[in-house]
Amino acid sequence: EIVLTQSPGTLSLSPGERATLSCRASQSVSSSYLAWYQQKPGQAPRLLIYGASSRATGIPDRFSGSGSGTDFTLTISRLEPEDFAVYYCQQYGSSPRLTFGGGTKVEIK
Amino acid sequence: EVQLVESGGGLVQPGGSLRLSCAASGFTFSSYAMSWVRQAPGKGLEWVSAISGSGGSTYYADSVKGRFTISRDNSKNTLYLQMNSLRAEDTAVYYCAIHDSPMATTFFDYWGQGTLVTVSS
Repeated sequence: EIVLTQSPGTLSLSPGERATLSCRASQSVSSSYLAWYQQKPGQAPRLLIYGASSRATGIPDRFSGSGSGTDFTLTISRLEPEDFAVYYCQQYGSSPRLTFGGGTKVEIK
Repeated sequence: EVQLVESGGGLVQPGGSLRLSCAASGFTFSSYAMSWVRQAPGKGLEWVSAISGSGGSTYYADSVKGRFTISRDNSKNTLYLQMNSLRAEDTAVYYCAIHDSPMATTFFDYWGQGTLVTVSS
């Protein structure tokens, strides 16, 4: 099973700042089969990024994904008030054992 | 518009059973694999089980294998999760989610709002 480790656990930033979230895999994720989700309190997760770098439908271009192999990054170029949430990465390269990272909380500083 | 509505959650004693349902609309249900993903209170996401679009292939996390059964009725556009021998550690919000293909080997395109299962005496 591929284990995903997200860092940092919590990121304290101000609106307008850049957020950089990391997701590291215990072994290489084949074909960059990595996705990112956003979850706000009391809500279901929402797909942001798939295939490591492709934005899902309707996702603003301030969200971008990058990386390959074992190291992946989600970048939010300029934080908007609605971006403060918890973010999860998920790998689907080692299917059907789909695994999630532990999450990174982006909070208002 | 894609809609997924879970139901069937509630309070159950350890060792008991529950059947969750997920009613789907707004897309061709049989064309997409579906999964159940859970989230314990204050914790992260855990994939539980998946089923292919045809229903012919099913997959389970080790933590629920032998206790949970996933199924689907494509004529009713409904996904199910039969949960037996429930344990306290199964307490969580259970989400149904759509894969982006008939194969249960991809990411989750859409999620329902979840149903809470509480296992406690």
